Amino acid sequence: AQTVTQSQPEMSVQEAETVTLSCTYDTSESDYYLFWYKQPPSRQMILVIRQEAYKQQNATENRFSVNFQKAAKSFSLKISDSQLGDAAMYFCAYRSAAGNQFYFGTGTSLTVIP
Amino acid sequence: EAGVAQSPRYKIIEKRQSVAFWCNPISGHATLYWYQQILGQGPKLLIQFQNNGVVDDSQLPKDRFSAERLKGVDSTLKIQPAKLEDSAVYLCASSKTVDPFYGYTFGSGTRLTVV
Repeated sequence: AQTVTQSQPEMSVQEAETVTLSCTYDTSESDYYLFWYKQPPSRQMILVIRQEAYKQQNATENRFSVNFQKAAKSFSLKISDSQLGDAAMYFCAYRSAAGNQFYFGTGTSLTVIP
Repeated sequence: EAGVAQSPRYKIIEKRQSVAFWCNPISGHATLYWYQQILGQGPKLLIQFQNNGVVDDSQLPKDRFSAERLKGVDSTLKIQPAKLEDSAVYLCASSKTVDPFYGYTFGSGTRLTVV
């Protein structure tokens, strides 16, 4: 089974600053998708950004962008101009192009300091 | 559009008791998932439905867990009898398509505490 590793259990960032959350994964597949989900205290998982493995260009969504390094099996999330509302648990997730389920990492708890 | 509805939001039971969770997916979403999220871990798939048929229940502990999706809409997940290690958040999610590029829409989950 695929594994997803998030090595930073907790991170903090000053409001308006930039923070990068790390994620690595292990797979033997060539076609897959990677996601970052945000889970605030309400517990609802919210999709932040996604990346197709066959695309070399890094995905961006407003203040959120990724650094996708396929050879290194790395998929980090950069949050620019951090806002108080960004405080949450962030989960990196892998999904095979041929599969049906997500494989999630253990999450990174992000604190935004005013 | 309305989101994925789940109830109850919290549940506390004693071990060996039974419990059921309910999920109402987004209208028109044919695919429904139940995930278990143990504290400090990421969610793990328990079961996937496509309409009212089971697609994948390989990770469902079938000796104590059961799930159904009647008429291809609402779903219930049941645990009987519960164990201490079943304490977790149970997340329901739905999607309109099985295309893996499209993520799910998750509900807010039910937090189960088994004492």
